[in-house]
Amino acid sequence: EPEVTQTPSHQVTQMGQEVILRCVPISNHLYFYWYRQILGQKVEFLVSFYNNEISEKSEIFDDQFSVERPDGSNFTLKIRSTKLEDSAMYFCASSEQGKVLRSPLHFGNGTRLTVT
Amino acid sequence: EDKVVQSPLSLVVHEGDTVTLNCSYEVTNFRSLLWYKQEKKAPTFLFMLTSSGIEKKSGRLSSILDKKELFSILNITATQTGDSAIYLCAVGSYDKVIFGPGTSLSVIP
Repeated sequence: EPEVTQTPSHQVTQMGQEVILRCVPISNHLYFYWYRQILGQKVEFLVSFYNNEISEKSEIFDDQFSVERPDGSNFTLKIRSTKLEDSAMYFCASSEQGKVLRSPLHFGNGTRLTVT
Repeated sequence: EDKVVQSPLSLVVHEGDTVTLNCSYEVTNFRSLLWYKQEKKAPTFLFMLTSSGIEKKSGRLSSILDKKELFSILNITATQTGDSAIYLCAVGSYDKVIFGPGTSLSVIP
């Protein structure tokens, strides 16, 4: 069964550094998402992306964050200057049809980001 | 503000018991309600519900949506230790899916 893949599985970085989290969505999916989950807390929406632009973003997704689909397969999340509170599990997800009416989100296994 | 509420937040049952997990929501532009199971890592998809009153079933799991009262339930019958996980309810609204806090289910032998 096709799956969403994320790399790396774990990233450790120092405060103030830039990180790029990578995702390869399922190949025929058109809508892409990033979520984060701080340890012990709920899964929080960051951003959705369709047709090479952001569809919707949450208050968490401030100017420190950006997303890109640099080629036909990768979908990346960049955090420009990491803060301690950015430490979390970051999940990429994709869906075949984006209005969530007909197709669910499929999640990758996540990247655990630790900011020291 | 959109929100998804789940109850209980935590539940411990014995193998063989039946459990009912609850999810209520207040979301503008509701599109669908989804249930996921989260064990170690990624949430895995269980059900997607878009219409009221139609039960979705998969083995020992079933779910139903009430769009008038804005809630859904997830039932698990004859629970097994492998059902131990966090069960997440999520609601789709236009281009985002909002998650509830989850119900942590522990099934003890």
